[in-house]
Amino acid sequence: AQRVTQPEKLLSVFKGAPVELKCNYSYSGSPELFWYVQYSRQRLQLLLRHISRESIKGFTADLNKGETSFHLKKPFAQEEDSAMYYCALRAGGTSYGKLTFGQGTILTVHP
Amino acid sequence: EAGVAQSPRYKIIEKRQSVAFWCNPISGHATLYWYQQILGQGPKLLIQFQNNGVVDDSQLPKDRFSAERLKGVDSTLKIQPAKLEDSAVYLCASSPTGLNQPQHFGDGTRLSIL
Repeated sequence: AQRVTQPEKLLSVFKGAPVELKCNYSYSGSPELFWYVQYSRQRLQLLLRHISRESIKGFTADLNKGETSFHLKKPFAQEEDSAMYYCALRAGGTSYGKLTFGQGTILTVHP
Repeated sequence: EAGVAQSPRYKIIEKRQSVAFWCNPISGHATLYWYQQILGQGPKLLIQFQNNGVVDDSQLPKDRFSAERLKGVDSTLKIQPAKLEDSAVYLCASSPTGLNQPQHFGDGTRLSIL
């Protein structure tokens, strides 16, 4: 069974401060991990995925298989980062497959 | 490219009534997903289509929910009869064929059951 846990429902930081959104997963095989973001009044959209190993909008996330984690980090938060963030898992090696989402973390960046 | 289109955006019905949602995926995307997102929770997959065939409907309450994807393009999701606990946002997503393809989401339909 696949399971994704985001332990923080709410996270508040000040502009310029570092931010880390936690994500832990449970899956017996080789997973694909994603972070999706939903800004106010916008649709859910892909932020980044672990296989790309890229930085998007200053965010990075590293898959740690030993700790089964995929935390999202940004060294200097901006007000426009305020949004709902979802961590999601998909069974690896499949050409298509369902996403299992965490409950989400609401990030608020204060000026 | 045009995104995933869903309609209606909002729907209010009374319990025991029926309701239908429509989704038009991104052109050329073979895989289509319907998710249910209850307030305060992450989206949960209800059903997944590959072209017009069902790949996964293990979490679809089949006594009241049904979905079809005629001709492998548009899809409809129906609830009959609706229950109070069906109040949620229903999201449609699509993805192209191929490994490691991300899913693209529509705006969703917000359903309220009175």
